[in-house]
Parts: sequence; structure tokens; C-alpha cells
Amino acid sequence: SQKIEQNSEALNIQEGKTATLTCNYTNYSPAYLQWYRQDPGRGPVFLLLIRENEKEKRKERLKVTFDTTLKQSLFHITASQPADSATYLCALLTSGTYKYIFGTGTRLKVLA
Amino acid sequence: GAVVSQHPSRVICKSGTSVKIECRSLDFQATTMFWYRQFPKQSLMLMATSNEGSKATYEQGVEKDKFLINHASLTLSTLTVTSAHPEDSSFYICSARVVGSGELFFGEGSRLTVL
Repeated sequence: SQKIEQNSEALNIQEGKTATLTCNYTNYSPAYLQWYRQDPGRGPVFLLLIRENEKEKRKERLKVTFDTTLKQSLFHITASQPADSATYLCALLTSGTYKYIFGTGTRLKVLA
Repeated sequence: GAVVSQHPSRVICKSGTSVKIECRSLDFQATTMFWYRQFPKQSLMLMATSNEGSKATYEQGVEKDKFLINHASLTLSTLTVTSAHPEDSSFYICSARVVGSGELFFGEGSRLTVL
């Protein structure tokens, strides 16, 4: 069956450290993999997109890697801040059907 | 970035009534919009893909007669929850993709509570 899993439901880290979130998928052939941030009671906000032929993408303190062999993406936030506390969702754009399917999400809490 | 506006943000209704949620792309044209449903502390579940000028494509298990989707223009899609029941209470979120971009832009979501 097809699954997208983010292996930590919740993650607490100390301010200033690097947060690393994981997204694993099975039985999908994604054209893109994306990461979104969602605050409570709000819609998700797009952060980064990485294509199937890309290994790494960076944007300010954010870095995403994509390993299509392992079927895994890692999302890093360096020099984390309490304001980074939110739920982070990975999403696949499936090739062929062009649907966006979301992972289960990881609630990140950065402790001051 | 592109802006998607969703209205209303909160609605409370009695069981048996119908509720309409609007999703507008404010500064771009959206030939395709997506409707998601989210339960507390869970991820987004794709309900349907809304295509301008044609019928929506519903995901397996989503009742098309229960959740009516209309995408009459390039900037507006509506979701109508018909004969709502308490189990329909949820957070409904729409999104749209800018043509040529892989990014999804989301509305702020609509919290539906059915009494």
C-alpha cells in the first residue's frame, strides 16, 4: 500500500540546535517532494520544493535532501528558534495523477 | 507569493443544514484547486480535485453527493457540505497551484462545527 510517514509525531529541541525531520514514502513515484509549515488553526505554508532529480535544496536556515533510492527526505532547520515551533508536513506530488499527498506531520517545539 | 482566500473561517450550523465554503485565488488564475479535510492532530486528507469548468474528481471514500464541489471560474471553487451531521465537523482547507509551479498555496481553512 502507499504510505507517507514522518517518523516523529513530536520533536523537542533546544534553541540554537539543528532540527532534523524525516519523511519516508512507499509505493509512490513522486515528481516533487515538498515541505510545509502549519501553525494551529491555520492553513499550511509552503517552505521548500525538491525535484526527483535533485539531491539537496537550501533556503536561508532550511535545507532539504531527497534520496529516491531510500525513498526518504530529510528537512533541517539550523540555528533553531522558538518561532520555528510548528507542525511540519511533507507532501508528494505524484507523477501521473498529479495529486498532492501529505505526510502525517511532525510537531516541532523549540525550547528557549 | 500567491494568495488564496477561504471563507468563512468558522461556521457553526445545525444538523441537517447545508454549508458552503468558498475558496478564491486572489492574484492568479487557478485551473485546479484541491480540497482537504483535517482532523485534530492529523494530517491533511485529500477529498477532491476541483477542475475549472468540469466535474470534480473525488478520492475514494468521499461522497460526492455529500460534498458538492463547483469550480465555475478560474478564481473560485466552492465546497458545499450538504445535510451536515456532527461527524462532518472538521477543518476544511482549500489549495491551488500556480500553473508552471509545483507549490501549493493554501487558504486559511474553515472550521465547521455541526451541532
